[in-house]
Amino acid sequence: DARVTQTPRHKVTEMGQEVTMRCQPILGHNTVFWYRQTMMQGLELLAYFRNRAPLDDSGMPKDRFSAEMPDATLATLKIQPSEPRDSAVYFCASGGQLRDESRYTFGSGTRLTVV
Amino acid sequence: DAKTTQPTSMDCAEGRAANLPCNHSTISGNEYVYWYRQIHSQGPQYIIHGLKNNETNEMASLIITEDRKSSTLILPHATLRDTAVYYCIACSGGYNKLIFGAGTRLAVHP
Repeated sequence: DARVTQTPRHKVTEMGQEVTMRCQPILGHNTVFWYRQTMMQGLELLAYFRNRAPLDDSGMPKDRFSAEMPDATLATLKIQPSEPRDSAVYFCASGGQLRDESRYTFGSGTRLTVV
Repeated sequence: DAKTTQPTSMDCAEGRAANLPCNHSTISGNEYVYWYRQIHSQGPQYIIHGLKNNETNEMASLIITEDRKSSTLILPHATLRDTAVYYCIACSGGYNKLIFGAGTRLAVHP
């Protein structure tokens, strides 16, 4: 089965450091999402792209988070500077293989710990 | 997108059918009902979706009431590997965004 690949799987960093998480969507998928999951807040939508253009990033703290798709095979989520409250699992998802469906494939996530 | 309401948790015996309910009384005519599940420490996984007709695939069945105000996800023969959090989401389709609630934590026991 085709997979969404996220790297790194785990990241421990010190407060104030820059963190970059990467996602390789499934080939041919034109919609990419970034979600964040914590015990307290559950799964939160941060941003999503269609055909590499950002459609909605209202869930993302703009002062420190940025999301981009430099090309169709790579999506990035960057945090600068990172803070302990950013500790969470970050999921990327892609879809768009079937018209008019919201059937998405999720990656295994990046577990971020900011100390 | 319409809000959905699910029980916080449910139990099921292995081999029995697991019936997970979802209320979506404010669902609009163009909104589908989607079900995803999340097994511990993995990303969410698509299960099934429907608009108004009942649907079945290799994973589960989806029963939607005629008034579309509620639905039930059925896992016909639950296994221990079906232990997960199950999310019911009302979404208008067309590559629309999925907004996850708290879901139902299903525990399948021997």
